[in-house]
Amino acid sequence: RKEVEQDPGPFNVPEGATVAFNCTYSNSASQSFFWYRQDCRKEPKLLMSVYSSGNEDGRFTAQLNRASQYISLLIRDSKLSDSATYLCVVPTGFQKLVFGTGTRLLVSP
Amino acid sequence: DTEVTQTPKHLVMGMTNKKSLKCEQHMGHRAMYWYKQKAKKPPELMFVYSYEKLSINESVPSRFSPECPNSSLLNLHLHALQPEDSALYLCASSQPRGGTEAFFGQGTRLTVV
Repeated sequence: RKEVEQDPGPFNVPEGATVAFNCTYSNSASQSFFWYRQDCRKEPKLLMSVYSSGNEDGRFTAQLNRASQYISLLIRDSKLSDSATYLCVVPTGFQKLVFGTGTRLLVSP
Repeated sequence: DTEVTQTPKHLVMGMTNKKSLKCEQHMGHRAMYWYKQKAKKPPELMFVYSYEKLSINESVPSRFSPECPNSSLLNLHLHALQPEDSALYLCASSQPRGGTEAFFGQGTRLTVV
């Protein structure tokens, strides 16, 4: 089993739609989790940090299910500008961030 | 705007050249990282420096040589690279304790010819 797994997509959704991505991780000892957004040919940018059961920031909600070892990212009222690759990142061991393969989102008019 | 700055943004080098990538951060972070990213793949960790000392080397070939002159600067020296080393090289920094988020520079897009 990979340390961090994501559905690569792409997810094609219309503007205004709600879309959710899941990410599963294998290290049950992980305490923190991150979602990064990466635009084409740009660097990853931190979108949300999750340290407990979840986090919400505007249209974005991240939820953690420790029992099933997955993290989800929900995007409500999708905008064209949300089109990007969303990377699930789980720290494993000291200062080592493990990236999922990323989920590509395409929001269309 | 990123607070981690990388130079140059683009670099084309021959297989016999020697070049260096540079990274600077002013967030007071004491952990700095080099990642390599190929197209349509996630970033892959290369090196981690913690308090200016190399703490992780992910079995990177010796043609890549990292250096951390001080707490704000990180270099990656390149020598005798291969065309398959062409990639986006990302620098990142974070607090030195485990489990914290990292902040990335804009990257250097390297092409080896």
